Amino acid sequence: EVQLVESGGGLVQPGRSLRLSCAASGFTFGDYAMHWVRQAPGKGLEWVSSINWNSGNMGYADSVKGRFSISRDNAKNSLYLQMNSLRAEDTALYYCAKGASSGWFSVCQHWGQGTLVTVSS
Amino acid sequence: EIVLTQSPGTLSLSPGERATLSCRASQSVSSSYLAWYQQKPGQAPRLLIYGASSRATGIPDRFSGSGSGTDFTLTISRLEPEDFAVYYCQQYGSSPPVTFGPGTKVDIK
Repeated sequence: EVQLVESGGGLVQPGRSLRLSCAASGFTFGDYAMHWVRQAPGKGLEWVSSINWNSGNMGYADSVKGRFSISRDNAKNSLYLQMNSLRAEDTALYYCAKGASSGWFSVCQHWGQGTLVTVSS
Repeated sequence: EIVLTQSPGTLSLSPGERATLSCRASQSVSSSYLAWYQQKPGQAPRLLIYGASSRATGIPDRFSGSGSGTDFTLTISRLEPEDFAVYYCQQYGSSPPVTFGPGTKVDIK
């Protein structure tokens, strides 16, 4: 069974940094693209970033480009999101999602339960 | 950037009725890289349809997807009580790789 468990969320002041992690199990992690998707309270889904199977291709939403960095460690079955220069509008539940294939043009096949990031002074 | 528009915003129906949800893209979605997700309150989204018309594993056959180019439809043939939720379409075939529609809420009439 595919399991994705996000961690690292919390309350952080504007301008500070946070690093999210996603621990994956139940599948061959290194064979699949991975995604981060966020959902602000009471709002819809917003794609944040994607990474292909070998970290050769990464993409970011314009709203986080230059501030967020996605990475993965296939040996540790883990996905990361380094979030710098955080803003109030980054407040959201952040979901880790498994792609359906190795390439980053990949549907979000399985989702974790999310980790909440709150940016506030 | 491909912008997705979903209609209606809210669909009020009774169990047993047919639901038809629309997703329109501002540009053609390449290779029908269009997916549909269901999200219930307090839960993560669940993949229903990918490639515009292929059901994900374990999804009942009352859910079906159709369309191509810029116009896509999710149909729920007979609503079950557990189908009342918010539905999002998503395109994953263009740069940026992924964009979502604003969602359609299907609630009980």
